Amino acid sequence: ETGVTQSPTHLIKTRGQQVTLRCSSQSGHNTVSWYQQALGQGPQFIFQYYREEENGRGNFPPRFSGLQFPNYSSELNVNALELDDSALYLCASTFFGSYEQYFGPGTRLTVT
Amino acid sequence: GENVEQHPSTLSVQEGDSAVIKCTYSDSASNYFPWYKQELGKRPQLIIDIRSNVGEKKDQRIAVTLNKTAKHFSLHITETQPEDSAVYFCAAPFRGDYKLSFGAGTTVTVRA
Repeated sequence: ETGVTQSPTHLIKTRGQQVTLRCSSQSGHNTVSWYQQALGQGPQFIFQYYREEENGRGNFPPRFSGLQFPNYSSELNVNALELDDSALYLCASTFFGSYEQYFGPGTRLTVT
Repeated sequence: GENVEQHPSTLSVQEGDSAVIKCTYSDSASNYFPWYKQELGKRPQLIIDIRSNVGEKKDQRIAVTLNKTAKHFSLHITETQPEDSAVYFCAAPFRGDYKLSFGAGTTVTVRA
């Protein structure tokens, strides 16, 4: 069984730029959620994807967008980066309708 | 969304002693309560969870208790060991759905 993987591990961007983060779900999982974890805080839900469509969104602006592909891998895109976007971005995969979520190692994004 | 409050924010215990972390939630419809452990620089890992049809669940040295009437649940770690040092997060379903809302985390330090 393959666990959740994310790429890249670290990323440094400049304010105003755009970034794409990638996630491969655990084998067999068809649902992926993205979370933002600021330093010293708990993960905050961004959105979830199922059947290649957004299935719920947290309190994040539209410049945070995502994609899910037929193989259940996923992307998180953030446009017009702001300094406050600096955080650890985590994806978590699961089966649709299941509460148990399994996290990837995260991508550490630094916006300067 | 679901409001999950977690206390204390930091906890220092002597090796061999017990550690208790408490969380409260606001949505009475919530029925799944996981606990995650996050070591420095690593992904959150699910260590134990409880559903609303039981009041307590144990797994070796860790246990979780749930009081649905008071809307709070707790993590208990007995006979603490240095490897228990980490940040622990509680969570509850987001808006009664399958997404999770996390507490702010408790940094547990086990002193040798």
